[in-house]
Amino acid sequence: GQNIDQPTEMTATEGAIVQINCTYQTSGFNGLFWYQQHAGEAPTFLSYNVLDGLEEKGRFSSFLSRSKGYSYLLLKELQMKDSASYLCAVTPPGSSNTGKLIFGQGTTLQVKP
Amino acid sequence: SAVISQKPSRDICQRGTSLTIQCQVDSQVTMMFWYRQQPGQSLTLIATANQGSEATYESGFVIDKFPISRPNLTFSTLTVSNMSPEDSSIYLCSAMGTEAFFGQGTRLTVV
Repeated sequence: GQNIDQPTEMTATEGAIVQINCTYQTSGFNGLFWYQQHAGEAPTFLSYNVLDGLEEKGRFSSFLSRSKGYSYLLLKELQMKDSASYLCAVTPPGSSNTGKLIFGQGTTLQVKP
Repeated sequence: SAVISQKPSRDICQRGTSLTIQCQVDSQVTMMFWYRQQPGQSLTLIATANQGSEATYESGFVIDKFPISRPNLTFSTLTVSNMSPEDSSIYLCSAMGTEAFFGQGTRLTVV
Protein backbone atom coordinates (compact mmCIF):
# COMPACT_ATOMS: atom_id res chain seq x y z
CA GLY A 1 0.00 0.00 0.00
CA GLN A 2 0.92 3.66 0.01
CA ASN A 3 1.32 6.07 2.90
CA ILE A 4 2.11 9.69 2.06
CA ASP A 5 2.74 12.32 4.73
CA GLN A 6 2.85 16.11 4.46
CA PRO A 7 2.56 18.84 7.07
CA THR A 8 -1.02 20.02 7.36
CA GLU A 9 -0.36 23.75 7.46
CA MET A 10 2.51 26.17 6.92
CA THR A 11 2.84 29.93 7.12
CA ALA A 12 5.46 32.05 5.39
CA THR A 13 6.13 35.69 4.59
CA GLU A 14 5.84 37.34 1.21
CA GLY A 15 9.21 37.37 -0.56
CA ALA A 16 10.60 34.52 1.52
CA ILE A 17 11.43 30.90 0.63
CA VAL A 18 9.39 27.95 1.89
CA GLN A 19 10.02 24.21 1.66
CA ILE A 20 7.13 21.77 1.81
CA ASN A 21 8.18 18.22 2.61
CA CYS A 22 6.57 14.97 1.56
CA THR A 23 7.57 11.56 2.84
CA TYR A 24 6.15 8.36 1.53
CA GLN A 25 6.18 4.65 2.19
CA THR A 26 4.97 2.83 -0.88
CA SER A 27 5.33 -0.56 -2.41
CA GLY A 28 6.96 1.13 -5.37
CA PHE A 29 6.06 4.02 -7.59
CA ASN A 30 6.58 5.35 -11.06
CA GLY A 31 6.90 9.02 -10.21
CA LEU A 32 6.01 11.78 -7.78
CA PHE A 33 3.86 14.80 -8.59
CA TRP A 34 3.27 18.12 -6.93
CA TYR A 35 0.00 19.96 -7.53
CA GLN A 36 -1.24 23.35 -6.42
CA GLN A 37 -4.89 23.78 -5.50
CA HIS A 38 -6.50 27.12 -4.73
CA ALA A 39 -9.68 27.04 -2.68
CA GLY A 40 -12.65 26.03 -4.78
CA GLU A 41 -10.56 25.18 -7.81
CA ALA A 42 -9.18 22.02 -9.40
CA PRO A 43 -5.55 20.99 -8.80
CA THR A 44 -3.02 22.33 -11.28
CA PHE A 45 0.23 20.58 -12.17
CA LEU A 46 3.48 21.95 -10.77
CA SER A 47 6.13 19.26 -11.19
CA TYR A 48 6.89 15.62 -11.81
CA ASN A 49 9.98 13.78 -10.52
CA VAL A 50 10.99 10.32 -11.65
CA LEU A 51 14.73 10.35 -10.99
CA ASP A 52 16.58 11.51 -7.90
CA GLY A 53 17.56 15.13 -7.87
CA LEU A 54 16.26 18.63 -8.22
CA GLU A 55 13.91 19.84 -10.95
CA GLU A 56 13.72 23.62 -11.26
CA LYS A 57 10.92 25.51 -12.95
CA GLY A 58 10.92 29.22 -12.36
CA ARG A 59 10.17 30.06 -8.72
CA PHE A 60 9.23 26.44 -8.00
CA SER A 61 11.64 23.53 -7.57
CA SER A 62 11.01 19.94 -6.61
CA PHE A 63 13.43 17.40 -5.19
CA LEU A 64 13.21 13.64 -4.99
CA SER A 65 15.21 11.00 -3.14
CA ARG A 66 13.82 7.57 -3.92
CA SER A 67 16.16 5.81 -1.50
CA LYS A 68 14.95 8.00 1.37
CA GLY A 69 11.31 8.09 0.34
CA TYR A 70 11.41 11.86 0.45
CA SER A 71 10.48 14.81 -1.70
CA TYR A 72 10.15 18.52 -1.20
CA LEU A 73 8.67 21.44 -3.06
CA LEU A 74 10.61 24.68 -2.79
CA LEU A 75 8.86 27.98 -3.43
CA LYS A 76 11.04 31.06 -3.81
CA GLU A 77 10.16 34.76 -3.77
CA LEU A 78 6.79 33.99 -2.28
CA GLN A 79 3.81 35.95 -3.52
CA MET A 80 0.41 36.36 -1.92
CA LYS A 81 -1.13 34.36 -4.76
CA ASP A 82 0.95 31.36 -3.66
CA SER A 83 -1.44 30.90 -0.74
CA ALA A 84 -2.99 27.55 -1.63
CA SER A 85 -2.90 23.86 -0.83
CA TYR A 86 0.05 21.88 -2.17
CA LEU A 87 -0.57 18.22 -2.88
CA CYS A 88 2.07 15.52 -3.11
CA ALA A 89 0.99 12.48 -5.13
CA VAL A 90 2.59 9.26 -6.36
CA THR A 91 1.79 7.05 -9.31
CA PRO A 92 1.73 3.36 -8.34
CA PRO A 93 4.03 1.05 -10.30
CA GLY A 94 2.88 -0.70 -13.43
CA SER A 95 1.81 0.59 -16.82
CA SER A 96 -1.81 -0.11 -15.96
CA ASN A 97 -1.58 2.58 -13.29
CA THR A 98 -0.43 5.36 -15.62
CA GLY A 99 -2.31 8.51 -14.69
CA LYS A 100 -3.59 7.08 -11.42
CA LEU A 101 -2.58 9.25 -8.47
CA ILE A 102 -2.44 8.53 -4.76
CA PHE A 103 -2.49 11.84 -2.90
CA GLY A 104 -1.11 12.95 0.41
CA GLN A 105 -3.38 14.97 2.66
CA GLY A 106 -2.08 18.25 1.28
CA THR A 107 -0.29 21.21 2.89
CA THR A 108 -2.18 24.48 3.23
CA LEU A 109 0.27 27.35 2.79
CA GLN A 110 -0.63 30.82 3.99
CA VAL A 111 1.55 33.66 2.72
CA LYS A 112 1.45 36.77 4.89
CA PRO A 113 2.49 40.30 3.93
CA SER B 1 -2.08 20.36 -22.03
CA ALA B 2 -5.56 19.01 -22.80
CA VAL B 3 -8.74 20.44 -21.34
CA ILE B 4 -11.53 18.63 -19.49
CA SER B 5 -14.99 20.15 -19.33
CA GLN B 6 -16.87 18.89 -16.29
CA LYS B 7 -20.50 19.52 -15.47
CA PRO B 8 -22.41 20.37 -13.45
CA SER B 9 -20.07 22.64 -11.53
CA ARG B 10 -22.28 22.37 -8.47
CA ASP B 11 -25.60 20.94 -7.40
CA ILE B 12 -27.79 20.61 -4.34
CA CYS B 13 -29.65 17.31 -4.24
CA GLN B 14 -32.20 15.60 -2.05
CA ARG B 15 -31.15 12.51 -0.17
CA GLY B 16 -32.13 9.28 -1.90
CA THR B 17 -31.74 10.74 -5.39
CA SER B 18 -28.90 10.25 -7.89
CA LEU B 19 -26.69 12.70 -9.76
CA THR B 20 -24.70 12.03 -12.92
CA ILE B 21 -21.53 14.02 -13.50
CA GLN B 22 -20.09 14.32 -16.99
CA CYS B 23 -16.55 14.91 -18.21
CA GLN B 24 -15.59 15.68 -21.79
CA VAL B 25 -11.93 15.73 -22.83
CA ASP B 26 -10.81 17.69 -25.88
CA SER B 27 -8.54 14.84 -27.01
CA GLN B 28 -8.58 11.06 -26.88
CA VAL B 29 -7.22 9.54 -23.66
CA THR B 30 -6.84 5.90 -22.75
CA MET B 31 -7.88 6.13 -19.12
CA MET B 32 -9.88 8.58 -17.09
CA PHE B 33 -10.06 8.74 -13.32
CA TRP B 34 -12.66 9.85 -10.81
CA TYR B 35 -11.72 11.37 -7.44
CA ARG B 36 -13.60 12.56 -4.40
CA GLN B 37 -12.44 15.44 -2.25
CA GLN B 38 -14.32 15.75 1.01
CA PRO B 39 -14.37 19.11 2.80
CA GLY B 40 -10.92 20.05 4.01
CA GLN B 41 -9.44 16.81 2.71
CA SER B 42 -7.19 15.76 -0.12
CA LEU B 43 -8.24 13.78 -3.17
CA THR B 44 -9.18 10.12 -2.92
CA LEU B 45 -9.33 7.96 -6.02
CA ILE B 46 -12.74 6.38 -6.58
CA ALA B 47 -12.15 4.43 -9.77
CA THR B 48 -10.38 4.17 -13.10
CA ALA B 49 -12.65 4.41 -16.14
CA ASN B 50 -11.51 2.24 -19.02
CA GLN B 51 -13.00 2.48 -22.48
CA GLY B 52 -14.59 -0.77 -23.54
CA SER B 53 -14.49 -2.46 -20.15
CA GLU B 54 -15.85 -2.06 -16.66
CA ALA B 55 -14.38 0.53 -14.36
CA THR B 56 -11.84 -0.55 -11.75
CA TYR B 57 -12.84 0.56 -8.25
CA GLU B 58 -10.58 1.35 -5.31
CA SER B 59 -11.08 -0.14 -1.89
CA GLY B 60 -14.14 1.32 -0.22
CA PHE B 61 -15.96 2.22 -3.43
CA VAL B 62 -18.45 -0.02 -5.24
CA ILE B 63 -20.12 0.02 -8.61
CA ASP B 64 -23.66 0.06 -7.22
CA LYS B 65 -22.97 3.33 -5.43
CA PHE B 66 -20.76 4.95 -8.09
CA PRO B 67 -21.59 3.52 -11.52
CA ILE B 68 -19.29 4.80 -14.24
CA SER B 69 -19.66 4.90 -17.99
CA ARG B 70 -16.90 5.32 -20.59
CA PRO B 71 -18.55 5.07 -23.99
CA ASN B 72 -15.59 6.47 -25.94
CA LEU B 73 -12.07 7.85 -25.55
CA THR B 74 -13.15 11.43 -24.82
CA PHE B 75 -16.07 11.07 -22.43
CA SER B 76 -16.98 9.58 -19.06
CA THR B 77 -19.74 9.87 -16.48
CA LEU B 78 -19.87 9.16 -12.76
CA THR B 79 -23.22 8.68 -11.03
CA VAL B 80 -23.56 9.15 -7.30
CA SER B 81 -26.51 6.91 -6.42
CA ASN B 82 -28.98 6.95 -3.56
CA MET B 83 -27.27 9.97 -2.07
CA SER B 84 -26.94 10.76 1.61
CA PRO B 85 -25.46 13.85 3.30
CA GLU B 86 -22.18 11.94 3.67
CA ASP B 87 -21.81 12.08 -0.11
CA SER B 88 -21.50 15.87 0.03
CA SER B 89 -18.12 16.44 -1.52
CA ILE B 90 -16.28 17.69 -4.56
CA TYR B 91 -15.99 15.15 -7.35
CA LEU B 92 -13.25 15.53 -9.94
CA CYS B 93 -12.38 13.69 -13.09
CA SER B 94 -8.89 13.53 -14.53
CA ALA B 95 -6.99 12.16 -17.49
CA MET B 96 -3.34 11.67 -18.32
CA GLY B 97 -1.50 13.72 -20.90
CA THR B 98 2.09 14.75 -20.22
CA GLU B 99 0.78 15.02 -16.67
CA ALA B 100 -2.51 14.25 -14.98
CA PHE B 101 -4.93 17.12 -15.58
CA PHE B 102 -8.28 17.72 -13.96
CA GLY B 103 -11.77 18.89 -14.67
CA GLN B 104 -13.04 21.89 -12.75
CA GLY B 105 -14.83 19.70 -10.22
CA THR B 106 -18.45 19.24 -9.17
CA ARG B 107 -19.39 20.54 -5.75
CA LEU B 108 -22.22 18.33 -4.50
CA THR B 109 -24.35 19.12 -1.46
CA VAL B 110 -26.88 16.53 -0.31
CA VAL B 111 -29.67 17.78 1.92
